[in-house]
Amino acid sequence: GAGVSQTPSNKVTEKGKYVELRCDPISGHTALYWYRQSLGQGPEFLIYFQGTGAADDSGLPNDRFFAVRPEGSVSTLKIQRTERGDSAVYLCASSLPYNEQFFGPGTRLTVL
Amino acid sequence: DQQVKQNSPSLSVQEGRISILNCDYTNSMFDYFLWYKKYPAEGPTFLISISSIKDKNEDGRFTVFLNKSAKHLSLHIVPSQPGDSAVYFCAASRNAGNMLTFGGGTRLMVKP
Repeated sequence: GAGVSQTPSNKVTEKGKYVELRCDPISGHTALYWYRQSLGQGPEFLIYFQGTGAADDSGLPNDRFFAVRPEGSVSTLKIQRTERGDSAVYLCASSLPYNEQFFGPGTRLTVL
Repeated sequence: DQQVKQNSPSLSVQEGRISILNCDYTNSMFDYFLWYKKYPAEGPTFLISISSIKDKNEDGRFTVFLNKSAKHLSLHIVPSQPGDSAVYFCAASRNAGNMLTFGGGTRLMVKP
């Protein structure tokens, strides 16, 4: 079956612009996670959805970051007024309850 | 404050020999541990996990050992193969299904 997919694979934007990153989880996975990975580091947790609701958003760095999952499947990570420090690979993962997380290939965001 | 640390940024091993990757954690609330492998331009791929009620879990060439008193886990790969060359991340969580806290990764190079 299909794995986790993320679009776009690459996004280049200018400082101050708004971006949306999309994640399609594995069908049937109720849990969905967003992580951010900077160069040379491990992924860092951003937000976790169980169904449609955000169960834990403690990793969002500030109020410029927001994520939704309106129908409990596809999720969109939204970043307002992008800054150069937001440049990173944004990873999405999904899982069945209390199981290992499966990751997508990531979206590489570059803020110029 | 890094709660999960991988102190070796890289490791080089001869094909056929054993690879041992190490990971230390500080948060005693962690009770579920995982290893992921990552190739360039791909998302992390789940390898193996272990619950804190166990001290060893084996899956084919991969074995994870957990020493709770030392807050240390290791991944053994034997025999190592050139295709194992990748970056390996250890991760920990409070209960399976919660957010993962990752180490910084260890780059494994298996030489033919």
